Amino acid sequence: LAKTTQPISMDSYEGQEVNITCSHNNIATNDYITWYQQFPSQGPRFIIQGYKTKVTNEVASLFIPADRKSSTLSLPRVSLSDTAVYYCLVGVAWNQGGKLIFGQGTELSVKP
Amino acid sequence: NAGVTQTPKFRVLKTGQSMTLLCAQDMNHEYMYWYRQDPGMGLRLIHYSVGEGTTAKGEVPDGYNVSRLKKQNFLLGLESAAPSQTSVYFCASSYSTHGDTQYFGPGTRLTVL
Repeated sequence: LAKTTQPISMDSYEGQEVNITCSHNNIATNDYITWYQQFPSQGPRFIIQGYKTKVTNEVASLFIPADRKSSTLSLPRVSLSDTAVYYCLVGVAWNQGGKLIFGQGTELSVKP
Repeated sequence: NAGVTQTPKFRVLKTGQSMTLLCAQDMNHEYMYWYRQDPGMGLRLIHYSVGEGTTAKGEVPDGYNVSRLKKQNFLLGLESAAPSQTSVYFCASSYSTHGDTQYFGPGTRLTVL
């Protein structure tokens, strides 16, 4: 079971780069790492996914070291609208006996 | 393309009543999931399905039943609601790939009195 550990909360200011790190020491060989964003009263939304090294899309970058025991979500130049909870998810339900775990996530607060 | 939709959006039940939550997706996804989210907590997987006619237990399956009679629909049933089942329920779906990017519905807020 690839349990994940993230900081409970983080604060930032508009225009800054924010890095959120997730630890997943028990990640399996086949596991992908996926990050989701959730706003209050909404379902989570996919941000980015990766397997190793670096992945970049229009909203974020994901850095994964060679041992894959952690990953870092990087949000460039955050704005107030990036205030949300960010979840790191490792693996898939059917590979883990149905115990896919989102964890408590990281509550990011962006201030003006 | 509506994505993932959930019915109803809100519901209030009395202890012991039953109800069914409906999840529908129009993306032809193989996999579907039901989660619950309690205040200040992450999502916990209740049940999931890897294809039409199949279901499996997640982390917190007790008190819930599910059915996947059609590929596009995933139903979550509460046979005898309890106050501990007061929560927000999210449905999600994904392609049958190893990456498993999940697409979530807007949620159903359920209160059991």
